[in-house]
Order: sequence, then structure tokens, then C-alpha cells
Amino acid sequence: DAGVIQSPRHEVTEMGQEVTLRCKPISGHDYLFWYRQTMMRGLELLIYFNNNVPIDDSGMPEDRFSAKMPNASFSTLKIQPSEPRDSAVYFCASSLYLFGRDSYEQYFGPGTRLTVT
Amino acid sequence: AQSVAQPEDQVKVAEGNPLTVKCTYSVSGNPYLFWYVQYPNRGLQFLLKYITGDNLVKGSYGFEAEFNKSQTSFHLKKPSALVSDSALYFCAVKSNTGKLIFGQGTTLQVKP
Repeated sequence: DAGVIQSPRHEVTEMGQEVTLRCKPISGHDYLFWYRQTMMRGLELLIYFNNNVPIDDSGMPEDRFSAKMPNASFSTLKIQPSEPRDSAVYFCASSLYLFGRDSYEQYFGPGTRLTVT
Repeated sequence: AQSVAQPEDQVKVAEGNPLTVKCTYSVSGNPYLFWYVQYPNRGLQFLLKYITGDNLVKGSYGFEAEFNKSQTSFHLKKPSALVSDSALYFCAVKSNTGKLIFGQGTTLQVKP
């Protein structure tokens, strides 16, 4: 399996521009998570989906952030408009819950390093 | 409230010496505990987990972790550290809603 795939790996944009980050989870996984990592705030969970349905978006910083999962193999995280304080590494992770197997471990993608100038 | 704490921002050990990275947790009910490692410019990698059973859990790259219910701890250990073990380590606990709650991370530096 190729693992979780994220694109782009690096994104540099100007303040005010729209940014779209993409994620392809591991095939067959039914949970997808979006995280943000910064030196100041550490690793933050932004939102997660189960079977393509958003379950908890309480970590989304503000209305400028939105996430979608139109199908089981694709998700996007959009920032519009972007601001310098959005600069961070954004990770996507996926997991498969197997009833009776207690399998909650998540598998992370390589991340997208976003720089907003 | 569920939480996990990693009391040390940084751990330094000499190569060949044993290492311990500490983690304590707070959760209602039986805890599901995890360790992840992050190498520079990479995503987090799953190392090991404790669900139930033996208190000593073995994982990838020779790491193991010891679950201690009375001390609510889940320390990561390795008998002999390698320079290549230098990385950022995260402890995590499963919340009641299924998501993982991560600690702030501990930077491990192994000196040659």
C-alpha cells in the first residue's frame, strides 16, 4: 500500500489567497483526520471524518477553514482567505476501526508545509 | 477530561545507553495508549500500542513501553539507544469518541 498521500508537499502563497490541501487515505480505511502542527501549539486535531461524514470539527480554527470528503478516497482542507498565522505543517491521517480488534492507530501522511507570506 | 502529559520536552542519552521517554495519562475507564515517532520533515509513525494484556508492549525498531495502571503511566523504553533514534516522540490516548489525544511531544537526542 502506498500509505496516506498528501499534496502538495510544499505550498507558498500570499496572504488572502485560497489554499487547498489534498489527501488520499489508505484504501479501505474508514476514518480520516486532519491535523496541524506548529512549534508553538504542537499537534492539533482540526477535524475528522467517519465514512466520509464529518464527526468533529471543533478544532477548526475559524470559518476560513473548511474540509470536505466527497468520497472514501479523497479529502480536501481549504483555507480562504489564508493568513500568515496559518503557516504550519498540515497532516492527514487515516485509520480503520475493526469491531472487536481495538484498532485505533492512525497512519499519517508526509504532511504539507504551508507558508503564507 | 481525557489528557496525556509528556513531562520532558527533551531527553538526551548516549548511544548504547538505555532510554526512557515518559508519559502519563488521565482517562476514564480502561486506557488505549499509543506511541508515535516523528523524524524530521516526516509524518508521525506508529510505534506501538497498549490495549489490554501484558503490561510490557513491544513495538517497532526495538522499542517497548510499560503500562503502569497505578501510576497512570506508559513510558517508552529501549535497552540500547541508537543515534538514528533521535526524533520527536508522541504519546497518545484514545478518547471516548475514538479520536487520539496527543501529548506535546518529547525530543530525543542520542549522542554518539
